[in-house]
Amino acid sequence: EVQLVESGGGLVQPGGSLRLSCAASGFTFSEYDMNWVRQERGESLEWVSTLETTGVTHYAASVEGRFTVSRDDAKKSFYLQMNSLRAGDTAVYYCARKVPGDGHGMDGWGQGTTVTVS
Amino acid sequence: DIQMTQSPSSVSASVGDRVTITCRASQDISIWLVWYQQKPGKAPERLIYASSSLQSGVPSRFSGSGSGTDFTLTISSLQPEDFASYYCQQAIRFPVTFGGGTKVEI
Repeated sequence: EVQLVESGGGLVQPGGSLRLSCAASGFTFSEYDMNWVRQERGESLEWVSTLETTGVTHYAASVEGRFTVSRDDAKKSFYLQMNSLRAGDTAVYYCARKVPGDGHGMDGWGQGTTVTVS
Repeated sequence: DIQMTQSPSSVSASVGDRVTITCRASQDISIWLVWYQQKPGKAPERLIYASSSLQSGVPSRFSGSGSGTDFTLTISSLQPEDFASYYCQQAIRFPVTFGGGTKVEI
């Protein structure tokens, strides 16, 4: 069974930093692109970042230069380093996996971790 | 960026009703459209990918269609467990973009 478990969320002051983690199990982690998607309360989903299996990264314009994604395939873990946090970054953050190269979207999601910037 | 526009933003329907949700892309995305279902307090789950391919385990009352810029998610006979929000996502290029969502109320 595919499992993705996020952790690291919490309350942080504006301008502060936070590191989110996503622990994967139940699948061959190294074979999947990994993504962060966030959702403000009551709002739609917002893509944040993708880290491909090749190491190529993609970021939303709203987080470019402030957020950094990384992965440790040996630990089957995926990370989001968030710096210079703003109130607008307050959201539930989900990690999600995606098969590389296809246009089939994200087929496995974690339960989310809440980040509050205040 | 590719803008994704969903309509309606909410729909109230009865058990057994046919419900249709539309998603329009601001440019041609071929068939690279994904639908997700999200129940309150839960993570999204993929329902349909490549416009019309049903995710394994998803009931056959869900179907998707469309190509280019116009897409449709149909629930043929609404069930109580279908109370949820539904989101479309274009999967052709970065930045990944989602529609604004449709809340289906029973």
